[in-house]
Amino acid sequence: ETGVTQTPRHLVMGMTNKKSLKCEQHLGHNAMYWYKQSAKKPLELMFVYNFKEQTENNSVPSRFSPECPNSSHLFLHLHTLQPEDSALYLCASSQDHGDRAFFGQGTRLTVV
Amino acid sequence: TQLLEQSPQFLSIQEGENLTVYCNSSSVFSSLQWYRQEPGEGPVLLVTVVTGGEVKKLKRLTFQFGDARKDSSLHITAAQPGDTGLYLCAGAGGSQGNLIFGKGTKLSVKP
Repeated sequence: ETGVTQTPRHLVMGMTNKKSLKCEQHLGHNAMYWYKQSAKKPLELMFVYNFKEQTENNSVPSRFSPECPNSSHLFLHLHTLQPEDSALYLCASSQDHGDRAFFGQGTRLTVV
Repeated sequence: TQLLEQSPQFLSIQEGENLTVYCNSSSVFSSLQWYRQEPGEGPVLLVTVVTGGEVKKLKRLTFQFGDARKDSSLHITAAQPGDTGLYLCAGAGGSQGNLIFGKGTKLSVKP
């Protein structure tokens, strides 16, 4: 238990579906992140939120839409995804931006 | 572009053997973290090293930060099947303040 909780753990969705991934942290951290982890690739940073403000979008396609309503919650809204978007999506938080990260267990997403 | 190179990429050993994995860069980092990730789970932080030359021990795991803070090593003594996983290093102080992750070393310890 790292203090970062992600739901759902597994998600299968069609290319025309809309779904959302949820992340919650109880660590009082100020920064939250979304990462994508595909087979045989390093962790890819997608989005960074610092004090609820998005500070980075690493050229992520618009079919991924993040939302950070408060410093404890982070969402990733998904729509019209492609099969190549299938991956493990990891949420992380850190005390401040760039500090050591604490990860959730991830959501294993399969796009069919 | 700051990069962290991890080696070896894959390692398969028998229980009881010792091993060392490496994390190298041409860039200086303010600190470096090591994580272990099991299949289907998120990475779990093992240790943070901050000072050049620092050595930290966590039971059978020994972590060292290079004097110049550009590289690090993880040594495991008498490996056990429970050590199996993906070992990731991450450097702090990267561009735009983000952590820079290596590709990882996938370790398999066979009983």
